[in-house]
Amino acid sequence: SQQGEEDPQALSIQEGENATMNCSYKTSINNLQWYRQNSGRGLVHLILIRSNEREKHSGRLRVTLDTSKKSSSLLITASRAADTASYFCATDARETSGSRLTFGEGTQLTVNP
Amino acid sequence: ETGVTQSPTHLIKTRGQQVTLRCSSQSGHNTVSWYQQALGQGPQFIFQYYREEENGRGNFPPRFSGLQFPNYSSELNVNALELDDSALYLCASSLDYLIGNTIYFGEGSWLTVV
Repeated sequence: SQQGEEDPQALSIQEGENATMNCSYKTSINNLQWYRQNSGRGLVHLILIRSNEREKHSGRLRVTLDTSKKSSSLLITASRAADTASYFCATDARETSGSRLTFGEGTQLTVNP
Repeated sequence: ETGVTQSPTHLIKTRGQQVTLRCSSQSGHNTVSWYQQALGQGPQFIFQYYREEENGRGNFPPRFSGLQFPNYSSELNVNALELDDSALYLCASSLDYLIGNTIYFGEGSWLTVV
């Protein structure tokens, strides 16, 4: 079963606008990672946030984590057409052995030029 | 570039056949995981290998098996292929699962079962 659930499922914005995607999960986690996937391609790692962190920045990306609400958000500022892709959150759960990631269904982001 | 390479990139197999997919992990990474991604869905964990031993398995039948070699490269084998096995198979590597570091993915192998 999927632990992470992204919201919205699809998002369409104009170039230059900000895009916010949300992710909810169910169990305790070690960390949460966000990935981008262009159509038919592999997953590109964007950012990792650990369970004891509340916010991280990387370039135009800002990720927040609220462990009390079991939720995370990814903000992409000043979006570009090249940001068009599917975005996934993936949790590395505390209970399971190893470092398996549990993914949601993803948010399909379309940035219109 | 993540340093994780997979082969082949695309292949077509007939139902009932067997397939082997290969993965070279990023240099120095001793942990390799395999994921299956059906069209329009998020990836699902198949299993993980750590220092040549299976180290966790998802909800996949025994006809999905794997290997990790001393150089930490890995294979995914699927026997008795079914139509529902058609998917993108992703390999991922990390420095050491015990540390909980970033997990890097390859470009994947597209498998079509007809």
